[in-house]
Amino acid sequence: NAGVTQTPKFRVLKTGQSMTLLCAQDMNHEYMYWYRQDPGMGLRLIHYSVGEGTTAKGEVPDGYNVSRLKKQNFLLGLESAAPSQTSVYFCASSWWQGNQPQHFGDGTRLSIL
Amino acid sequence: GQQVMQIPQYQHVQEGEDFTTYCNSSTTLSNIQWYKQRPGGHPVFLIQLVKSGEVKKQKRLTFQFGEAKKNSSLHITATQTTDVGTYFCAGRTGNQFYFGTGTSLTVIP
Repeated sequence: NAGVTQTPKFRVLKTGQSMTLLCAQDMNHEYMYWYRQDPGMGLRLIHYSVGEGTTAKGEVPDGYNVSRLKKQNFLLGLESAAPSQTSVYFCASSWWQGNQPQHFGDGTRLSIL
Repeated sequence: GQQVMQIPQYQHVQEGEDFTTYCNSSTTLSNIQWYKQRPGGHPVFLIQLVKSGEVKKQKRLTFQFGEAKKNSSLHITATQTTDVGTYFCAGRTGNQFYFGTGTSLTVIP
């Protein structure tokens, strides 16, 4: 009963370093999403994917790249981390985009010094 | 910018009191979802509203979708300590869901 699994749970980076956050879901969902959550800002959509091999920009895509080479995995990359990217990152998945609930992972807490 | 606003940002209530959070959009929404996030946890889906004027109930929780499909509310009757958390609305416009800023509920025993 894994659902949506995010790796890692915590990470500290130095400015300019790169890293990849991994999201894996075992529910065979078509849609996957990456959000960031900052105090007082709610959840903001970074990128999303409507199926294997596809990606699209969300509300705050700058500074991030994504890939969905396999249906069950959605990767979020930071090529050159900046302090403004310190946040909690949530991955989510759903059957369809429009009217299905999103299932969230436990989040990745990322700090950039 | 933020398309879905939610008020209040914080609410402290005595256990047994009622609680309401409001969600307002600048544009007409296709549908709206509500999520609850416990402290240190992840958002968990509560319910979805699709029709204009729709009202749904889950035990002590009542959800409403406005006639113009631009606003929504969540009302909790007789709060309990288990209701503690942040409640988010998420409204769909086009291909994206826009989450509200959330209302953090504290219940004082």
